[in-house]
Amino acid sequence: DTAVSQTPKYLVTQMGNDKSIKCEQNLGHDTMYWYKQDSKKFLKIMFSYNNKELIINETVPNRFSPKSPDKAHLNLHINSLELGDSAVYFCASSHTNTEAFFGQGTRLTVV
Amino acid sequence: QQPVQSPQAVILREGEDAVINCSSSKALYSVHWYRQKHGEAPVFLMILLKGGEQKGHEKISASFNEKKQQSSLYLTASQLSYSGTYFCGTECNNAGNMLTFGGGTRLMVKP
Repeated sequence: DTAVSQTPKYLVTQMGNDKSIKCEQNLGHDTMYWYKQDSKKFLKIMFSYNNKELIINETVPNRFSPKSPDKAHLNLHINSLELGDSAVYFCASSHTNTEAFFGQGTRLTVV
Repeated sequence: QQPVQSPQAVILREGEDAVINCSSSKALYSVHWYRQKHGEAPVFLMILLKGGEQKGHEKISASFNEKKQQSSLYLTASQLSYSGTYFCGTECNNAGNMLTFGGGTRLMVKP
């Protein structure tokens, strides 16, 4: 069973489009994250969310928005995509102060 | 606040040792270590929560200094399978919802 699953694995889209990446975890974790990994491999935290609080990295453009329909899902919506949004996006989940489990990543290419 | 990792890259021969450092300008609640292989998701290695703590996982171990501002990952008698990018992740409080990663250390082990 996949612990943290993301879809799609690959996403190619044109500038200006709106897209979503889905994330689901079946571990019963209370915290979920979105990270952006650029070509230099830097893992930048974008959002973290638990059932009480959404924390937003202030450097993330407001074109990015997380949506959590329930505790097991944290989807990422991106509006008006730009070339610089091209990266690998990782979803992760954890219990408070324990190891984080990562999804397989979604490679987003904006053309 | 992002932790600082050093060195940025290391090349080893099989059997050699390496140390990767992770530091913060203020006291941390916890330090995580992850390894990411090319094209894959980061995988958890270990977490340290207490000042002065040391932990081991086969030939990979880590320490957390007394002031809880610096951690080191020790790789002894390196194997080819150790190649990858190592990330330290830090949490500044016990809320468990803001795991922030350093810039990564690329480790290559050659035969």
